[in-house]
Amino acid sequence: NAGVTQTPKFQVLKTGQSMTLQCAQDMNHNSMYWYRQDPGMGLRLIYYSASEGTTDKGEVPNGYNVSRLNKREFSLRLESAAPSQTSVYFCASSGDRKWGETQYFGPGTRLLVL
Amino acid sequence: RKEVEQDPGPFNVPEGATVAFNCTYSNSASQSFFWYRQDCRKEPKLLMSVYSSGNEDGRFTAQLNRASQYISLLIRDSKLSDSATYLCVVNGVDSSYKLIFGSGTRLLVRP
Repeated sequence: NAGVTQTPKFQVLKTGQSMTLQCAQDMNHNSMYWYRQDPGMGLRLIYYSASEGTTDKGEVPNGYNVSRLNKREFSLRLESAAPSQTSVYFCASSGDRKWGETQYFGPGTRLLVL
Repeated sequence: RKEVEQDPGPFNVPEGATVAFNCTYSNSASQSFFWYRQDCRKEPKLLMSVYSSGNEDGRFTAQLNRASQYISLLIRDSKLSDSATYLCVVNGVDSSYKLIFGSGTRLLVRP
């Protein structure tokens, strides 16, 4: 089992360019998440998908869109990248909407927007 | 006020030392509590859940104090491999599957 995989690992964009971050999990999990992590701050939730076919905004959704393509895949799109979106992006998944359900993280995508 | 607050550290301790981290959370209705570990430039990984009665996993002990709204992590007999950032995590009470992450406490264990 690969767990949660993310592509790409690194990306450099110019302001205004667009890109899609890909995430896939092979644990048959229902819920998937996108976070960003900035220095000195905790992980902040961008969007989540509680189950296939549903997506909801998290704490910092502005400038992002998501697609839950199927149960395995959850992508994050930056339509017009800005320097403020320079960050490390983590995808995560969990089994169900339960208290105490562990989230499993992918290795992250390091994004630099110039 | 942040929902989950931690001392950023770093805590610099010798091998074999005992070290403790605390974390406070703002929402008294929170029900689930965790410690995650994050190595440099890696993803967070669950270290342990925190139960009301306290729980232990080898050299690691987690405690919850609901009255004071804080969580603690005690590491005994520190190893060089314990060097990492420790994230305090609390579930978001508006939606049980959302987790709120603290910004982490950095631990450096020296030889």
